[in-house]
Amino acid sequence: AQSVTQPDIHITVSEGASLELRCNYSYGATPYLFWYVQSPGQGLQLLLKYFSGDTLVQGIKGFEAEFKRSQSSFNLRKPSVHWSDAAEYFCAVADSWGKLQFGAGTQVVVTP
Amino acid sequence: KAGVTQTPRYLIKTRGQQVTLSCSPISGHRSVSWYQQTPGQGLQFLFEYFSETQRNKGNFPGRFSGRQFSNSRSEMNVSTLELGDSALYLCASSSGQGMNTEAFFGQGTRLTVV
Repeated sequence: AQSVTQPDIHITVSEGASLELRCNYSYGATPYLFWYVQSPGQGLQLLLKYFSGDTLVQGIKGFEAEFKRSQSSFNLRKPSVHWSDAAEYFCAVADSWGKLQFGAGTQVVVTP
Repeated sequence: KAGVTQTPRYLIKTRGQQVTLSCSPISGHRSVSWYQQTPGQGLQFLFEYFSETQRNKGNFPGRFSGRQFSNSRSEMNVSTLELGDSALYLCASSSGQGMNTEAFFGQGTRLTVV
């Protein structure tokens, strides 16, 4: 069965600093990976996805993620964080039916 | 085009009651999935419907059920509510054509059981 681990429950970052959120997955075949963001009281918004091809994928809001098969990782990065990036971020892997297995999430706090 | 619509946005129910939540997917999408989100358990998959058939089911008791109509709209029902059913219930729609399809989420229904 697939699983996703997000080691960091909570990250605090200064506005303008870079951000990296870690994600490790376990899946028997080629993984289909996603990063979602959730603002308080809202649903999930897709930031980016990896299906195949280039291992560095670009998403919305200036985010990017790098797929590393050897490390079973799919870390999310942003070069310069804005106050509006404060939210909870979820990494997910899809099974063959498209069912998503989510990590526990990382809460990002942005300080002035 | 319109996104995924979930109604109602908020609900307060009493233990022992039952509740029905509704989800209207994006036009053309045939798959609707339901997830429960709680602070303790995170995001957990409930079930998925594709063309009116339940195609996948998570590890939830039989009190949780769902259905999908011919227009792809879906409802989930929770009977004999327990305090632990308090959660944000999220619906996601997709084309349902396998793992490489993108799921779009609604804003959720916040259920509080008292």
